Amino acid sequence: SQQGEEDPQALSIQEGENATMNCSYKTSINNLQWYRQNSGRGLVHLILIRSNEREKHSGRLRVTLDTSKKSSSLLITASRAADTASYFCATDRGNQFYFGTGTSLTVIP
Amino acid sequence: GAVVSQHPSWVICKSGTSVKIECRSLDFQATTMFWYRQFPKQSLMLMATSNEGSKATYEQGVEKDKFLINHASLTLSTLTVTSAHPEDSSFYICSAIEGVANEKLFFGSGTQLSVL
Repeated sequence: SQQGEEDPQALSIQEGENATMNCSYKTSINNLQWYRQNSGRGLVHLILIRSNEREKHSGRLRVTLDTSKKSSSLLITASRAADTASYFCATDRGNQFYFGTGTSLTVIP
Repeated sequence: GAVVSQHPSWVICKSGTSVKIECRSLDFQATTMFWYRQFPKQSLMLMATSNEGSKATYEQGVEKDKFLINHASLTLSTLTVTSAHPEDSSFYICSAIEGVANEKLFFGSGTQLSVL
């Protein structure tokens, strides 16, 4: 399969709580990216972490990368109802991008 | 950020007809474009990578004659679903990468294809 695995598949939290989702992949990568998709729409780029980086922050987002375990995590702090969406990790292998299975996040107001 | 326009957003067609989906980069030149297919509540499956002026590279299991991809200019790629059948019904999304060094993907808004 070209996909990586993400868990959980679905996550429901209260507004203000933190949301953590994980991504595992299979092959070596150049970088790993996280994207967000609102229902029935295209994807929006959130953050990119290179293979030689371990952690990166952007606003309320924190991404970690463990290349030895071939895994990454996305943490969204102080969640808002507007964060409700599906989140996908994508691995860049020589200019081809493969997406994980995704986590559907629901933030309850 | 860069804008990718995808058209149409929704198309319903009869079985056996062909459908063309356009993907345009509006404010940048897209040397590489990607076509993905997405089933409900599932991830994106890469169908093919198209480079301007050359033949598309298809992923294993994707029928080249079924899904025709043309990338004739730096701002336009098209996907034609030929002789569409109900099993081709899906959400198709294009994305583009700017230049060689840019690592971000910019996505179109997707096309929902329903084949009756």
